[in-house]
Amino acid sequence: DIQMTQSPSSVSASVGDRVTITCRASQAISSWLAWYQQEPGKAPKLLIYAASSLQSGVPSRFSGSGSGTDFTLTISSLQPEDFATYYCQQAHSLPPTFGGGTKVEI
Amino acid sequence: QVQLQQSGPGQVKPSQTLSLTCAISGDGVSRNSVAWNWIRQSPSRGLEWLGRTYYRSKWNTDYALSVKGRITINADTSKNQFSLQLNSVTPEDTAVYYCTRWTDYTTNFARFDPWGQGTLVTVSS
Repeated sequence: DIQMTQSPSSVSASVGDRVTITCRASQAISSWLAWYQQEPGKAPKLLIYAASSLQSGVPSRFSGSGSGTDFTLTISSLQPEDFATYYCQQAHSLPPTFGGGTKVEI
Repeated sequence: QVQLQQSGPGQVKPSQTLSLTCAISGDGVSRNSVAWNWIRQSPSRGLEWLGRTYYRSKWNTDYALSVKGRITINADTSKNQFSLQLNSVTPEDTAVYYCTRWTDYTTNFARFDPWGQGTLVTVSS
């Protein structure tokens, strides 16, 4: 299975901050990567797919980049509703696997 | 707008069978280029993909090795829904279970969207 490693596991930030989350795959996955946001008690919500394509309806302050093994999710100006946990997920090979999550907190 | 609505019991006894159903609105369970999946989440395992079913001339399934032999995912075209059965459950199967659609799964645009609301299933006597 492809292992997905996220860092940091948690980050403290303030409204208006720029936040960057990294995700590393244990082998090359081209751009077969998606990012999800999960609020407490809710299902994950798709933010980014194909490493950098913004899902319809997702604010433009979210962006993704990377290819191969290293990827980043950036929130350009953190808003109150962005305090949540973020997961990366590879779709290159079965089984699809997720990172361990990054909790963005105040 | 596609929506997935989960149903099923929140408590199962050890050694029994966990059964959940995911009703689809706004899409067809037999549509090409999508697959219908079950994923679970627990503090110990994180987000764990369990398996999928999809239609390509016939119904196909793929399962995670961790649950293979205990899992069955079926589609019901008459009700436009799909289901999960997990046999011989133990407390380690306690988790929140989600159904989700995997779109464009043969391309790098592959993505899980939308998700069901989640069902906390507790395995306990």
